[in-house]
Amino acid sequence: DTEVTQTPKHLVMGMTNKKSLKCEQHMGHRAMYWYKQKAKKPPELMFVYSYEKLSINESVPSRFSPECPNSSLLNLHLHALQPEDSALYLCASSQEAKLHSNQPQHFGDGTRLSIL
Amino acid sequence: SQQGEEDPQALSIQEGENATMNCSYKTSINNLQWYRQNSGRGLVHLILIRSNEREKHSGRLRVTLDTSKKSSSLLITASRAADTASYFCATDGGNTGFQKLVFGTGTRLLVSP
Repeated sequence: DTEVTQTPKHLVMGMTNKKSLKCEQHMGHRAMYWYKQKAKKPPELMFVYSYEKLSINESVPSRFSPECPNSSLLNLHLHALQPEDSALYLCASSQEAKLHSNQPQHFGDGTRLSIL
Repeated sequence: SQQGEEDPQALSIQEGENATMNCSYKTSINNLQWYRQNSGRGLVHLILIRSNEREKHSGRLRVTLDTSKKSSSLLITASRAADTASYFCATDGGNTGFQKLVFGTGTRLLVSP
């Protein structure tokens, strides 16, 4: 079992819907991440949060809106998505996000998102 | 693209054989990490090697790093069917001050009983 929990596991939504992906960890980690992974491709970084503050946004379209309500929770709010946004969305956490912290990341099992 | 390259793209071996995967990257790094991903699951961290290290071992895993060639290799010895998965290298570098993993293209390993 993974120590990072993502819900829901699967999500199907229309292009006009608004939905949210949720991620939770109780390892006391202060860094959390969102990745997008297309089939047979490597994960691509979307956002980095460090101490509940957005530290990196990899030029992600505004239809993806991240939120970190506290150090254990990370949300990704979705609105007006496109079919090409269909992918596996992975959440990860690490003790620290600073560059020289040399910390591994712990991943959840992801939310498989399909846009109709 | 900053993405690293891995080869082979796919590797098929028998149980008990060794599996070697190679990773090349483009920029200077702080560390290089290897992850495993089983089908439909998240990534599992295997090993982290810092830029000033040349070799690291963990159980049946051996990782080497050559920063002059910007390359790394992962060796899995005495493979098992349970090792069947995709393996990704990931480099941690950049100039943002924050950890920013860039994953390689991955190697799909199939271990047959």
